[in-house]
Amino acid sequence: LAKTTQPISMDSYEGQEVNITCSHNNIATNDYITWYQQFPSQGPRFIIQGYKTKVTNEVASLFIPADRKSSTLSLPRVSLSDTAVYYCLVGDYSGGYQKVTFGTGTKLQVIP
Amino acid sequence: DTGVSQDPRHKITKRGQNVTFRCDPISEHNRLYWYRQTLGQGPEFLTYFQNEAQLEKSRLLSDRFSAERPKGSFSTLEIQRTEQGDSAMYLCASSLRGQRTDTQYFGPGTRLTVL
Repeated sequence: LAKTTQPISMDSYEGQEVNITCSHNNIATNDYITWYQQFPSQGPRFIIQGYKTKVTNEVASLFIPADRKSSTLSLPRVSLSDTAVYYCLVGDYSGGYQKVTFGTGTKLQVIP
Repeated sequence: DTGVSQDPRHKITKRGQNVTFRCDPISEHNRLYWYRQTLGQGPEFLTYFQNEAQLEKSRLLSDRFSAERPKGSFSTLEIQRTEQGDSAMYLCASSLRGQRTDTQYFGPGTRLTVL
């Protein structure tokens, strides 16, 4: 499983766009990139997943450069309720199930 | 609510007691996972089921831990002779085999405190 590196914590003011970058230098050809969000005392919640270029859904955007060695989760106009831990995961699903490995994540604090 | 559910949400027990947790996955999901999460850390993989078959177990899953998934529906995780080090959040997740990317959906977790 590819190792990921992301900042331990970030602060942002309400209403701003937040970009969290994840480094995954040894990503393999079959690997997808997945981001989860976790609030205190809750299970992680799937946010977005991608393989290359850009993916957008109603919650976030995911930018993946051509070399795929990093990815950036973009949260538009954050609110206080976006305060959470964000995990970047990289894994190969082609062989079946994915034994997901979480790192310590990025703790995002949104400030009023 | 059609998401993953876990019961109980909180469990306080004394050291040496046995505890059992239950997970009900999303109904059409045939894959089920258990994780353990301690304070300040990300979830750690414990074990995985595809239908009723337990296909992988982490080295974290000592012989005091046992998981079952009878009939490929709900799952139980039992911890025997609990130790203070077992205090953690136990998370269950499920996914649907056949999806290219095996997205896992997590339950709310069971918080275990061993006194």
